[in-house]
Amino acid sequence: DAGVIQSPRHEVTEMGQEVTLRCKPISGHNSLFWYRQTMMRGLELLIYFNNNVPIDDSGMPEDRFSAKMPNASFSTLKIQPSEPRDSAVYFCASSFQGANQPQHFGDGTRLSIL
Amino acid sequence: EDKVVQSPLSLVVHEGDTVTLNCSYEVTNFRSLLWYKQEKKAPTFLFMLTSSGIEKKSGRLSSILDKKELFSILNITATQTGDSAIYLCAVGSGGSNYKLTFGKGTLLTVNP
Repeated sequence: DAGVIQSPRHEVTEMGQEVTLRCKPISGHNSLFWYRQTMMRGLELLIYFNNNVPIDDSGMPEDRFSAKMPNASFSTLKIQPSEPRDSAVYFCASSFQGANQPQHFGDGTRLSIL
Repeated sequence: EDKVVQSPLSLVVHEGDTVTLNCSYEVTNFRSLLWYKQEKKAPTFLFMLTSSGIEKKSGRLSSILDKKELFSILNITATQTGDSAIYLCAVGSGGSNYKLTFGKGTLLTVNP
């Protein structure tokens, strides 16, 4: 079974550039989550979608971050303009909607902003 | 604000030792507690607990939840070098807007 697929695996870019991270959830899952992981703050929820609709974006750090889910099999997280403090590993996870459903994670995108 | 605290932050043991990892939480509308193992890449799901006092077991790993005292433990017996990883505790809260709040994890290192 294909798990959650993220691309790219690594991204190195200069500050000020636009960065787009991509995620394909597990087929049939209708909840999708974007997380950011750093040593200092651990794993933080940025935004999540139920049935392609954004439910809670209170974790998005600032207006430079945006996320979309145009259909059930694809989501993007965009940072524009990027800054060095955005450097982190970004994970996408998916699950069946509702309580008591474990989330399954992709392998993450390691983002470095120079 | 929901909070999940794990201890210890890191732990170094020898193969064959038994370890206990701790997770305490403060959340509104608790629904479940989950344990994940993270090696080099994605966190992988280990257990989900929803009821107090019922132990979940998978091989050498086991976990139990205490909803009165608001904590959970993850035990690993007869540790192996392959158990070296970050162990993450997450608490699920909310109703239709169910989401997870993660602790910062415990880094376990098992030396041969």
